[in-house]
Amino acid sequence: AQKITQTQPGMFVQEKEAVTLDCTYDTSDPSYGLFWYKQPSSGEMIFLIYQGSYDQQNATEGRYSLNFQKARKSANLVISASQLGDSAMYFCAMREGQVNAGKSTFGDGTTLTVKP
Amino acid sequence: NAGVTQTPKFQVLKTGQSMTLQCAQDMNHEYMSWYRQDPGMGLRLIHYSVGAGITDQGEVPNGYNVSRSTTEDFPLRLLSAAPSQTSVYFCASGRGGSSHEQYFGPGTRLTVT
Repeated sequence: AQKITQTQPGMFVQEKEAVTLDCTYDTSDPSYGLFWYKQPSSGEMIFLIYQGSYDQQNATEGRYSLNFQKARKSANLVISASQLGDSAMYFCAMREGQVNAGKSTFGDGTTLTVKP
Repeated sequence: NAGVTQTPKFQVLKTGQSMTLQCAQDMNHEYMSWYRQDPGMGLRLIHYSVGAGITDQGEVPNGYNVSRSTTEDFPLRLLSAAPSQTSVYFCASGRGGSSHEQYFGPGTRLTVT
């Protein structure tokens, strides 16, 4: 079964507007972490934001916030005030267990295009 | 700090050839991982290591070998290249324990003809 599901292959947003990228996950481990990465056309993987399963508050990093709904097993990324430079592929990923061992499972990504 | 470095950046192999993709990190990170990214898809874990002398298989290990003799280096060996191994390969590293860090290298684009 797919552990990370990103149902939006492509999304468009107008510059300066907010956009939500969807991510649902599946795990039976009570301890896990959720990540979002950005991959621009140049190909590098850029870490954006992290949410731990026991974190009480939704994670925020500048214009990025993670809408964590544990009961629904969703971890949507919200980008506020979109910029042209936000056009990229976005990946949701999950780490299961308490220990960070470099074993992440990735979704297939969402391509975001920001229109001027 | 150079971070996570990968060599080569690009490589073309013929079917049946072998080669080693190099990965090094200078941050004294405990864990290192290898992922592959096929076109239009997310990253899939090939092998990972939680410390020198310790390695384990990920989701797609067949056709690849790894070893970790030092903390800094984690080479990925393709034993007999196949066209199905055409992909972009990313190495990652991070601190273990409760940390959530994961730093990626720039990737190696491999084509097998």
